[in-house]
Amino acid sequence: KAGVTQTPRYLIKTRGQQVTLSCSPISGHRSVSWYQQTPGQGLQFLFEYFSETQRNKGNFPGRFSGRQFSNSRSEMNVSTLELGDSALYLCASTAFGQGGYGYTFGSGTRLTVV
Amino acid sequence: LAKTTQPISMDSYEGQEVNITCSHNNIATNDYITWYQQFPSQGPRFIIQGYKTKVTNEVASLFIPADRKSSTLSLPRVSLSDTAVYYCLVVVSNDYKLSFGAGTTVTVRA
Repeated sequence: KAGVTQTPRYLIKTRGQQVTLSCSPISGHRSVSWYQQTPGQGLQFLFEYFSETQRNKGNFPGRFSGRQFSNSRSEMNVSTLELGDSALYLCASTAFGQGGYGYTFGSGTRLTVV
Repeated sequence: LAKTTQPISMDSYEGQEVNITCSHNNIATNDYITWYQQFPSQGPRFIIQGYKTKVTNEVASLFIPADRKSSTLSLPRVSLSDTAVYYCLVVVSNDYKLSFGAGTTVTVRA
């Protein structure tokens, strides 16, 4: 079956702009979570959605937001971009989102803020 | 949440067995030990998960002693393609997120 699809793969934005990233989970998976990966901070949890409800949120400023649609596809938005937002943004899907088992990650969106 | 400690890096040669030990002294009763693998510019990939004793699948084995304060991921007969970062995670059974540490960079040489 198809894996987790993230679009776009690469993105270059200017400071102050906003950006929307998209994630299509594996068919049947209802949990979608987002992670930010940077060389300095490693992989950090942003938020998790299940059946259109945010169940958990990481320690990120309010500029980072997300949502999930009824077909389980998810988007994350970053407003007022800062240079420090440059990172690989990863999305993961799993059937129920619990227990650490069976998360499937996408290949990520590489965001560069200039 | 239990903090994990694992070596920053390990070197090996093709055909050898690689063992990565992770310490998690504050692991709780409901926590599971989970390992993920990540190649450059890709998302992490689930390798194996266990609660206690030994778990084996087609790619790795996971050894967990009775006190569960540490665990060892064993990769048998590694190849160049096993060069990656390996993350040890402690996961609460009803938690909705993964908490990654710094991971162990394993480099396999010919």
